[in-house]
Amino acid sequence: AQKVTQAQTEISVVEKEDVTLDCVYETRDTTYYLFWYKQPPSGELVFLIRRNSFDEQNEISGRYSWNFQKSTSSFNFTITASQVVDSAVYFCALINFNKFYFGSGTKLNVKP
Amino acid sequence: DAGVIQSPRHEVTEMGQEVTLRCKPISGHNSLFWYRQTMMRGLELLIYFNNNVPIDDSGMPEDRFSAKMPNASFSTLKIQPSEPRDSAVYFCASSLGTGGPSGANVLTFGAGSRLTVL
Repeated sequence: AQKVTQAQTEISVVEKEDVTLDCVYETRDTTYYLFWYKQPPSGELVFLIRRNSFDEQNEISGRYSWNFQKSTSSFNFTITASQVVDSAVYFCALINFNKFYFGSGTKLNVKP
Repeated sequence: DAGVIQSPRHEVTEMGQEVTLRCKPISGHNSLFWYRQTMMRGLELLIYFNNNVPIDDSGMPEDRFSAKMPNASFSTLKIQPSEPRDSAVYFCASSLGTGGPSGANVLTFGAGSRLTVL
């Protein structure tokens, strides 16, 4: 069975703080993909990153970075120097056979 | 590209009425998904189509829900009769997917249709 757990329901930080959003997944498959999506207050879901199970290299994109560790089945997301515009709900997802399994989301509040 | 287009954006209806939500996927995408989002249950996959054919409808709550994709550029999700517990945001998403484990292409979501059933 596939499962994605985002244990942090809500996080509040002050602008410019770094914040890490945790994602733990379960799957018996050797081939799978992991995603992060952002859902700002406006409601749409925006793609952030995709990572396949064979590529454990960490990735950095501007203030965003992702740490993928198969040994702990985790795919964590760090925002450096957070900004108010980062306030949103962030979803981690696992895909297998074209089906997405979303976590419950972490609501990030960045206060000025 | 205009992205995935959903209509209506907001719908308020009374219990027992029929509701039809519409979706136009991104041109060229061959997979289409309907999701429902609620506070209690998060994002739930209702059904997905590949090349206009329903592949997995195991997430459709009950017979009151039905979905069609008559062609590559249009899909509908119908609820008849609607009930207050159907109140949610319904998202349509599309991707260029193959259906297998390599079918891990990015889902592009529409803006959602917020349904309120009184």
